[in-house]
Amino acid sequence: GEDVEQSLFLSVREGDSSVINCTYTDSSSTYLYWYKQEPGAGLQLLTYIFSNMDMKQDQRLTVLLNKKDKHLSLRIADTQTGDSAIYFCADNYGQNFVFGPGTRLSVLP
Amino acid sequence: DADVTQTPRNRITKTGKRIMLECSQTKGHDRMYWYRQDPGLGLRLIYYSFDVKDINKGEISDGYSVSRQAQAKFSLSLESAIPNQTALYFCATSDPSPDTTEAFFGQGTRLTVV
Repeated sequence: GEDVEQSLFLSVREGDSSVINCTYTDSSSTYLYWYKQEPGAGLQLLTYIFSNMDMKQDQRLTVLLNKKDKHLSLRIADTQTGDSAIYFCADNYGQNFVFGPGTRLSVLP
Repeated sequence: DADVTQTPRNRITKTGKRIMLECSQTKGHDRMYWYRQDPGLGLRLIYYSFDVKDINKGEISDGYSVSRQAQAKFSLSLESAIPNQTALYFCATSDPSPDTTEAFFGQGTRLTVV
């Protein structure tokens, strides 16, 4: 089956850029997603990228997709304390969603 | 009101007890899912349903059962709860387009089995 991997923790200083990386195994994924989970809350879609795109930018967020290496990244520019959360990479494998383990982003003042 | 509502939000139960977690949605979506979240393991799919008459097992269905009472309602049951079922449980829905673009999640149910 599909496997999605992420590093579990990332710490950055406020104002710096954060880069969260993800690798996946299914080359037929149509969409790849980044979800954000704040404490005590469910997951919310942050952004997604269609598999025929290399990059997508949305305000402070930049998603890069390398299909050859099956690598997805999320860059958050000017990281703020409000960005502290768990970030999940996911893809649509078959007709379901497969999630990575989540990266806990800690933003230090 | 939330689009996907889970009840209860928190529950403590004893080993061996039967417990039901409920999920209702106002999105009008046909597809509904139950996941459990464990630290370092992400979300794992327990069961999913693509319409009222369609129920499918996910990767970790053992010890769980589900009921799709209506398009808007999807319940998860633990027939005889055990401590390793202590976790955060999420219900989600999605739109049955040819390429699903987003899953909508409830707030989660934190279940503790003692």
